Amino acid sequence: AQRVTQPEKLLSVFKGAPVELKCNYSYSGSPELFWYVQYSRQRLQLLLRHISRESIKGFTADLNKGETSFHLKKPFAQEEDSAMYYCALGGTSYGKLTFGQGTILTVHP
Amino acid sequence: DAGVIQSPRHEVTEMGQEVTLRCKPISGHNSLFWYRQTMMRGLELLIYFNNNVPIDDSGMPEDRFSAKMPNASFSTLKIQPSEPRDSAVYFCASSGGLAGNNEQFFGPGTRLTVL
Repeated sequence: AQRVTQPEKLLSVFKGAPVELKCNYSYSGSPELFWYVQYSRQRLQLLLRHISRESIKGFTADLNKGETSFHLKKPFAQEEDSAMYYCALGGTSYGKLTFGQGTILTVHP
Repeated sequence: DAGVIQSPRHEVTEMGQEVTLRCKPISGHNSLFWYRQTMMRGLELLIYFNNNVPIDDSGMPEDRFSAKMPNASFSTLKIQPSEPRDSAVYFCASSGGLAGNNEQFFGPGTRLTVL
């Protein structure tokens, strides 16, 4: 069965500090991993996906199949990064995604 | 394309009333998903369709909830009768449904309050 675990419900850092949002997954097939971001009272939007291997808004995430992880990182957090972040796992038919419980990131000035 | 469109954006109703939420997916997408978001339970998948056919409704919490997709450009989620614990933000999302392209595009959500 597919499963996504985001162990931290809340994460607080100060502006300029590094930030890492953890995501672990369980899936027997070939995973497709995503990070979605939701700013206050807005829709979820795609932040990045592992197959594109690009950096968006300074965020990166590396798929580690050995550790079944897809942690989201940013070296210097900004106040505008404060949001809810969801890790999601795809790879099945019909485009279904399995979402983690989400992590609320707060970046303090 | 205007993206996924949902209406209404806000709905306040009284317990026992029928509530209908609407969604227009992105043109050309063949998969549509309904989610519910609450602080306590996070983002829950309620039901999803592919080519207008319901594929999995195991996430629908009770028989009070029903969803339809009469054509490729429209879907509804209905709650009858509504209860205060149904208060949440309901999101609709669509995707192309193609293998290797599972990105979902979300609508702005409907914030439902049941008094």
